[in-house]
Amino acid sequence: DARVTQTPRHKVTEMGQEVTMRCQPILGHNTVFWYRQTMMQGLELLAYFRNRAPLDDSGMPKDRFSAEMPDATLATLKIQPSEPRDSAVYFCASGLVPIYGYTFGSGTRLTVV
Amino acid sequence: SQQGEEDPQALSIQEGENATMNCSYKTSINNLQWYRQNSGRGLVHLILIRSNEREKHSGRLRVTLDTSKKSSSLLITASRAADTASYFCATDAPFSSGSARQLTFGSGTQLTVLP
Repeated sequence: DARVTQTPRHKVTEMGQEVTMRCQPILGHNTVFWYRQTMMQGLELLAYFRNRAPLDDSGMPKDRFSAEMPDATLATLKIQPSEPRDSAVYFCASGLVPIYGYTFGSGTRLTVV
Repeated sequence: SQQGEEDPQALSIQEGENATMNCSYKTSINNLQWYRQNSGRGLVHLILIRSNEREKHSGRLRVTLDTSKKSSSLLITASRAADTASYFCATDAPFSSGSARQLTFGSGTQLTVLP
């Protein structure tokens, strides 16, 4: 089965450090999402790309977060500088619009100490 | 803010019983999807129902959609211990509908199926 691959699976970093999370969407999918999941807030949409163009990143703190798709095989989410409140599981998902459902990666568990 | 809200937040049943979870949402939608998440894992797509559909089946899953009430339900029949997971509804809203976001998730229902 085709998979969405996220790296790294786990990341522990110190406050103030830059964090880069990577996602390889399924080949041929034209839509990519980034979500953050915490116990308190649940699943929050951070960014949304269609055909590599950012369509919605209003859920993302702009001062420290950035999301890009340098090519169709790679999406990145960067936090600089990281803060303890950024600790969460970050998921990438891809799909084909008109959609039949999205495929999620296994997530990156980020801990900022 | 979240578009969908699931009810109940937690549900515990015996193996073999049916489990029903409900989802309410606020804006017009293209479709509504249900996902399952096992502890510590990513979300898995279960079923999608379009706004012009009222009911859909997939194996032991039955989903209904009432757009007039802005609500959906997920029924899992003959539940198994392996069905233990969190279940989320997600609404796919038209991008042009202002503040409505594409694929917005609810808070989830934690289902526990006891053997």
